[in-house]
Amino acid sequence: QKEVEQDPGPLSVPEGAIVSLNCTYSNSAFQYFMWYRQYSRKGPELLMYTYSSGNKEDGRFTAQVDKSSKYISLFIRDSQPSDSATYLCAMPLGNTDKLIFGTGTRLQVFP
Amino acid sequence: EPEVTQTPSHQVTQMGQEVILRCVPISNHLYFYWYRQILGQKVEFLVSFYNNEISEKSEIFDDQFSVERPDGSNFTLKIRSTKLEDSAMYFCASSRLAGPNQPQHFGDGTRLSIL
Repeated sequence: QKEVEQDPGPLSVPEGAIVSLNCTYSNSAFQYFMWYRQYSRKGPELLMYTYSSGNKEDGRFTAQVDKSSKYISLFIRDSQPSDSATYLCAMPLGNTDKLIFGTGTRLQVFP
Repeated sequence: EPEVTQTPSHQVTQMGQEVILRCVPISNHLYFYWYRQILGQKVEFLVSFYNNEISEKSEIFDDQFSVERPDGSNFTLKIRSTKLEDSAMYFCASSRLAGPNQPQHFGDGTRLSIL
């Protein structure tokens, strides 16, 4: 079983829609959960990180963690064309700095 | 806002040659990382580096690879005797502190093409 899985998409939505991006993971030792955004030909840019279960909100972005289901989500409200990018979930392995990434979900927001 | 810079943006090298990828981490960061992303695949951890020593490395990071901090600002990844399968995007990252709760900031990568 793969450690971190994401639907690669593409996910295509109209401007203003609420977007839900998801990851599942298999290792119950993961404690921290990160979302990176990657524009074409750019490096991953950290959007949000959360610890353990619960929600965290930052502007139009909400990160949600359900450790019992080993499932994390990133919600984007009022999506904009500038949100068009690949969204990567990532988790540090154990107590290390080694990030385990999902494959990324490509999001397209059309005007 | 401070950022991680990587040079060159694209490197084309003949198979069997050595290549050095360069990174300038954020100035007050102490922990440095290399990741790679083969086209269409996940971003994969290669190595972490602190205080002039490798902290951790993956099984990908074999004797073909080495890292160095030659001065106070640069961090390099050397790949000896390159192979076709080394073709990938290589990302450098840095963080101010260590630990799973410390955000890693990535550069825009070097695209390495082995011919």
